[in-house]
Formats: sequence, structure tokens, C-alpha cells
Amino acid sequence: SQQGEEDPQALSIQEGENATMNCSYKTSINNLQWYRQNSGRGLVHLILIRSNEREKHSGRLRVTLDTSKKSSSLLITASRAADTASYFCATGLTGGFKTIFGAGTRLFVKA
Amino acid sequence: NAGVTQTPKFRVLKTGQSMTLLCAQDMNHEYMYWYRQDPGMGLRLIHYSVGEGTTAKGEVPDGYNVSRLKKQNFLLGLESAAPSQTSVYFCASRERLTHATNEKLFFGSGTQLSVL
Repeated sequence: SQQGEEDPQALSIQEGENATMNCSYKTSINNLQWYRQNSGRGLVHLILIRSNEREKHSGRLRVTLDTSKKSSSLLITASRAADTASYFCATGLTGGFKTIFGAGTRLFVKA
Repeated sequence: NAGVTQTPKFRVLKTGQSMTLLCAQDMNHEYMYWYRQDPGMGLRLIHYSVGEGTTAKGEVPDGYNVSRLKKQNFLLGLESAAPSQTSVYFCASRERLTHATNEKLFFGSGTQLSVL
């Protein structure tokens, strides 16, 4: 079974609104990462948060991590049509070699 | 820099045929990975390698073999393809884990494989 589960599976919003995606995981982690995938393309790394961090920002992205609840959230502020993509959380497992992905959230931003 | 390059981009096989997918990276990364992506399943780890000459099983290794003879290349083989192996295959690489390393993965653009 997969390590991470994203919620919601799909999200449709208007341009300018904020988009929030959540991720839950099962086992101990070193870090949690978020990736973006445009249709038909490979994944691109967005942001990484370490297990001893609680919040991180990068441009319009804000990630939080709650290790007690084994959950993370990705907030995209002031969304744009170009943000339309699938977003995946991925956990770097304790021990250091593997990165395990969730099933992803499909975000659609309407212009 | 090219980053991570996968070949071929598309392939159609008949059940029972064999093939090899090639992944090449030019970033001198120690770690390399093969994932498959199926609708609604996200990415699942097939095999990975933490250095030249080493390989290890991931979440879904059955039906696949891998080799890492050179640091820059990671090959994924299907000895006898099955329709259940129809998927999009992604290769990824990253730096060796150290306290100063950012553990982000760099992905190739994928291989669409159909097994009839």
C-alpha cells in the first residue's frame, strides 16, 4: 500500500483563489516533499520540508507538516490557470534511500 | 545539462516480448529510481540503486529486472511483458544522502509502454 494519501483527489477553483491540498502518511519520515506534474510530463520538485520543521514557504507555496498527526498540507495562494496540474506528496523514509509517493491531487484552475 | 533522459518515449509490445528501458543522468547522482505511474495510483517504486553495481527492490518489483553497470545509467528490463505492465515509467535520480543534501528527485519525461 502507498505511504501517502492526498485529499482531495480533485479540486476545481477560480483563478485568484487559494488551493489547499492535504497529505497523510503512515510511517516515520526524514522529510516530505511536494511535486507537480503537468499532463504528459515528468514530475518537478516544488518544495521539501524536513521532519523537524513545521512550516516552509517558497513564493506562492506554503507547506505545513504535523508529524504527530502524520499529515502535511500544501497551500497555493492566488492561483493561476498555469497552476493547473497534478500535485503529489512524497515522503523520504527514515533510513534515507526511498521516496514514496501518494496518488496525487488534480488541480484545475479556471481562468 | 540534459538532466535525466529516458529512452524510448513510447513503445508497444506484444505479451511475452522483452524490452529494456534506458535511463541516463548527467548530474553525477548516486541514487537512481524506476517508478511506474498508473491512473489513480500515483507513482509506485519498482527498483532503485544507491550506487554503481547495486540494486534493490521497491514496492512492485515483480516482473522487472534492473542493472546499474555505470553510475550514469540505470536500465529497467521486462523479460516477458504482460498487459498488467502497461503503464508510464519514470526514472529519477538524486544526490547521495548527506546532512547537507537536498533530497529532491529529478525526473525524466517518462516512457509510455503498452503491452497488448
